[in-house]
Amino acid sequence: DAGVTQSPTHLIKTRGQQVTLRCSPKSGHDTVSWYQQALGQGPQFIFQYYEEEERQRGNFPDRFSGHQFPNYSSELNVNALLLGDSALYLCASSLDRLAGVYADTQYFGPGTRLTVL
Amino acid sequence: AQTVTQSQPEMSVQEAETVTLSCTYDTSESDYYLFWYKQPPSRQMILVIRQEAYKQQNATENRFSVNFQKAAKSFSLKISDSQLGDAAMYFCAYRFLMNRDDKIIFGKGTRLHILP
Repeated sequence: DAGVTQSPTHLIKTRGQQVTLRCSPKSGHDTVSWYQQALGQGPQFIFQYYEEEERQRGNFPDRFSGHQFPNYSSELNVNALLLGDSALYLCASSLDRLAGVYADTQYFGPGTRLTVL
Repeated sequence: AQTVTQSQPEMSVQEAETVTLSCTYDTSESDYYLFWYKQPPSRQMILVIRQEAYKQQNATENRFSVNFQKAAKSFSLKISDSQLGDAAMYFCAYRFLMNRDDKIIFGKGTRLHILP
C-alpha cells in the first residue's frame, strides 16, 4: 500500500519566481491538506482540497493556490516567491470527514524542502 | 481561537527509561481529536497515537500512551522503555471536525534526545 508521496524532494528558487509542488495521497484517501513548516516550528495549515475544490484555508495569502485532480492528487502553487517562503512543505491525506472512523487521521508525505534565494 | 502549547522545547532521557512530553491546548469545543506525531531527521511526519475527546479511556500504542485530561485540556505523551529510534521532534496536534469547519493546529514541538 503506497503511502503519501511528494515531489520534488528539494527545490531551489529565486525571489519572484513561481513554484509547483506535487502530492499523491495514500491509496483510498480523497482529501489532501497542505502545510508549511518553517525551521524549528510546527506545521502551519495552508489549505485542504476535497472533490477538486478548496474546502478550507488557513491564514495564507492568495499567492498560495492549489489544485486537486480527479485521481485525488494535488498541487500547491506559490507565486512571487519571497525569502520567507523558504520552508518544508508537507502534504497530508485523509478520508473525507463523513467517511466515518479514522476520517480524522491525516497521513503525511516526506515533504518538499523549498529554498528561496 | 484554538491553540496548542508544548512547553518543553527539548528533553533528554536515558535509553530504557520513561519520559513524558507535555501538551496543553485551548478550545471551546467539546468534541475533537488529539494526536501526537513524530518527525525524525528524515522529515517524515509519523502518527504515534490518536485520542478522541469523547472517549475517557487513554489511548495506548505499544510503548506509547497518553494521559488525556479533558477538563484541564492536557494531553501528555508517555514513552516507556525509550529506544534510540525514538529520538525525534514530537508534535502535539488538535483537530476539530464539524460540518464544513475543519481546524488543524500543531504545537511547536519538543525535541527528544535519547542518551545511550
